[in-house]
Amino acid sequence: DTAVSQTPKYLVTQMGNDKSIKCEQNLGHDTMYWYKQDSKKFLKIMFSYNNKELIINETVPNRFSPKSPDKAHLNLHINSLELGDSAVYFCASSQGHSYNEQFFGPGTRLTVL
Amino acid sequence: GQQLNQSPQSMFIQEGEDVSMNCTSSSIFNTWLWYKQDPGEGPVLLIALYKAGELTSNGRLTAQFGITRKDSFLNISASIPSDVGIYFCAGQVGGKLIFGQGTELSVKP
Repeated sequence: DTAVSQTPKYLVTQMGNDKSIKCEQNLGHDTMYWYKQDSKKFLKIMFSYNNKELIINETVPNRFSPKSPDKAHLNLHINSLELGDSAVYFCASSQGHSYNEQFFGPGTRLTVL
Repeated sequence: GQQLNQSPQSMFIQEGEDVSMNCTSSSIFNTWLWYKQDPGEGPVLLIALYKAGELTSNGRLTAQFGITRKDSFLNISASIPSDVGIYFCAGQVGGKLIFGQGTELSVKP
């Protein structure tokens, strides 16, 4: 009965590769988000989608491309991975794009070698 | 851009002690939230504050939304070992959450 799930939990890859992280929520929410948490634990929003439409794009390099096939899924594809992309990526969801109670997934730890 | 200054960065306390942490900003926020993150997990919402001056409790946790809408504090009373984790404040404006840097809490039994 997981509310927000992400796969994979861990991802180790070489610089230059392309990888995807998947997120699904079963809460019936219409808004989903991607956050990046750096090594100092700082959490920063990257994107948000409301009903499959991009709402927030926080000046993220265009190597990062979110895709929302339906409102229960928001996937993150990263091209040409760089060392600085190493971080923990969290998916979250909420009801409404200005509603505040966001529910977070368990995170995906990405390590770029 | 908007920033939240959260303090302290870390705390080492004895079980049973009370804890206080706070967040300040130079900007006004519409909502303040407090999250807790356990190791290897995502943040979990503890308390949400929607009105300036609001004081809300959740068990041993109490949080207040500052009257100026630029600050908030979180108190934990009678700490227990499972309170260990990182506590984040977050302010909401324009549909986005802006997070503080986190307060890492360690509790000695």
